[in-house]
Amino acid sequence: GENVEQHPSTLSVQEGDSAVIKCTYSDSASNYFPWYKQELGKRPQLIIDIRSNVGEKKDQRIAVTLNKTAKHFSLHITETQPEDSAVYFCAASIPSGGYQKVTFGTGTKLQVIP
Amino acid sequence: GAVVSQHPSWVICKSGTSVKIECRSLDFQATTMFWYRQFPKQSLMLMATSNEGSKATYEQGVEKDKFLINHASLTLSTLTVTSAHPEDSSFYICSARGAGIETQYFGPGTRLLVL
Repeated sequence: GENVEQHPSTLSVQEGDSAVIKCTYSDSASNYFPWYKQELGKRPQLIIDIRSNVGEKKDQRIAVTLNKTAKHFSLHITETQPEDSAVYFCAASIPSGGYQKVTFGTGTKLQVIP
Repeated sequence: GAVVSQHPSWVICKSGTSVKIECRSLDFQATTMFWYRQFPKQSLMLMATSNEGSKATYEQGVEKDKFLINHASLTLSTLTVTSAHPEDSSFYICSARGAGIETQYFGPGTRLLVL
């Protein structure tokens, strides 16, 4: 089955700096890659996603890049703010039996220091 | 965006009790719903996938007789933890996806504590 690895597990940055979280996946059939932000005790919230036919996508301070050949994708947060502090999960989605099966990475705890 | 609700948000029960958790899509029809379990400081572990009107598909290692899943309508799926034991204590989160849509929208989760 699909295996998604995520690094780093924790990340501390100064407010205003950039943060980068990297993920790799194993199954080349994966075709959809969402990123979720989860604050403590709350539900994961989709923050950005990218499909396999696109190499890069940006939404204000957040961007995601995808390298299908290397099977890795990254989340970039620029001009970080304290409210960006949370756990971020990458995921890889693969068609399976008529639906998309999603495998999550292990998460990155991001701390933005004011 | 799509809204998914989950009820109850907190459950404390005695060992041996069965607990039912409801997951509802409020403003869209969820053809597929997913149930996850999350331990503290860990990732989301998929337990099972359910399509409306059909039996759930369970992940390896998840006991289907222990975790009963019903997806009776396009807006409701239920997870019943039968004869719960302390080791079943966890954070259970559902997510829902509409037809032809890749994105999963998560419910707020249910924290289960079995004494």
